[in-house]
Amino acid sequence: EVQLLESGGGLVQPGGSLRLPCSASGFTFKSYVMTWVRQAPGRGLEWVSSISKSGDSTYYADSVRGRFTISRDNSKNTLYLVMDSLRPEDTAVYYCAKGVDGSWYPGSSDFGLLSDWGQGTLVSVSS
Amino acid sequence: SFELTQPPSVSVSPGQTASITCSGDNMGDKFVCWYQQKPGQSPVLVIFRDTKRPSGIPERFYGSNSGNTATLTISGAQAMDEADYFCQAWAGDTVVFGGGTKLTVL
Repeated sequence: EVQLLESGGGLVQPGGSLRLPCSASGFTFKSYVMTWVRQAPGRGLEWVSSISKSGDSTYYADSVRGRFTISRDNSKNTLYLVMDSLRPEDTAVYYCAKGVDGSWYPGSSDFGLLSDWGQGTLVSVSS
Repeated sequence: SFELTQPPSVSVSPGQTASITCSGDNMGDKFVCWYQQKPGQSPVLVIFRDTKRPSGIPERFYGSNSGNTATLTISGAQAMDEADYFCQAWAGDTVVFGGGTKLTVL
């Protein structure tokens, strides 16, 4: 059974930083694309960032590019999201999601496919 | 920037067919996914590559995509299908979600 467990959320002041780990189990982590998606309270889903299986390709939403960094440690089966220069509008539940194990690049048939999701971790940015 | 537009809400009577649309430029040239999210729960993938169902998703969920509109159809809607539904597609090197549609079964 696929399990994705996010942690690291909490209350942080504007301008602050936070690191979110996502621990994966139940599948061969190094073989799958991974993604972060967030959801502000009472709002819809917003794609944040995705990373290739090896970690050599990363993609970001315009709203977080230059402030957030996605990475992975395949030896630890863990995905990370480092969030710097946090803003109140970054307040959301952050979900870790499992992508595909096949061909993956912008425009490919499964570029955005998210087959399994974690339970999410809440990040609140407020003074 | 690329946007996906969904109706905020759709209502359906139990046993009837519900259709949720997702509009965007040249949607037929992209592959669309649909996600179901029930209150307090994480999203669940219900359709990928426009028309395919993951294992465990009931056959009453059907997807289509042509022109500028993708559609999620739920045939014989059940009370358990009441949820928010989000469409998703790629645009350039990013991924875009629609704003979501609240499906009410009553």
